[in-house]
Amino acid sequence: GQNIDQPTEMTATEGAIVQINCTYQTSGFNGLFWYQQHAGEAPTFLSYNVLDGLEEKGRFSSFLSRSKGYSYLLLKELQMKDSASYLCAVRDSNYQLIWGAGTKLIIKP
Amino acid sequence: NAGVTQTPKFRVLKTGQSMTLLCAQDMNHEYMYWYRQDPGMGLRLIHYSVGEGTTAKGEVPDGYNVSRLKKQNFLLGLESAAPSQTSVYFCATSRDSSGANVLTFGAGSRLTVL
Repeated sequence: GQNIDQPTEMTATEGAIVQINCTYQTSGFNGLFWYQQHAGEAPTFLSYNVLDGLEEKGRFSSFLSRSKGYSYLLLKELQMKDSASYLCAVRDSNYQLIWGAGTKLIIKP
Repeated sequence: NAGVTQTPKFRVLKTGQSMTLLCAQDMNHEYMYWYRQDPGMGLRLIHYSVGEGTTAKGEVPDGYNVSRLKKQNFLLGLESAAPSQTSVYFCATSRDSSGANVLTFGAGSRLTVL
């Protein structure tokens, strides 16, 4: 079967750096996405990786290793507004998105 | 420019009742999706559409029906609601399914079935 694994919850301190990992086992691979979802709101797009390596976008970076079935989302200079759930999703060989259950990130002052 | 609008935002149903969720988009996107989101689980695809007049089953289609009579609207119907359908439902759209085309989500519809 297809599977996306992410930690359920993480805690970090304001101003620090946090890395959220995502491992996947899917039928084929056509890209990996990270979305942010604040409590009670809709998911919003953060990043997209299709080739190995690091994609940087401001305070957020996302890394992909296709051979290891692994990605991480790196958040720098954490702010209280970064408290949210972070969803990892992989597009499989049928171009369907398979979603992880999400990682709830708690930021403490 | 509203993006993706879902109605209603909240609804309480009794077991066996029927209802329809409406998703409307003004982004001119071809693809539209209905997902459900439950605690501890990833988003699960119910049905989707790749264009006006088309629909297809997703991962969890049982107990739901959909229609896409107009490009901008995607309706999700529950003919006989069950407590297992208590969930938050999200509509999403995309230009297509390839490359970096991302999903734009509606605000969600919280459905409770008693």
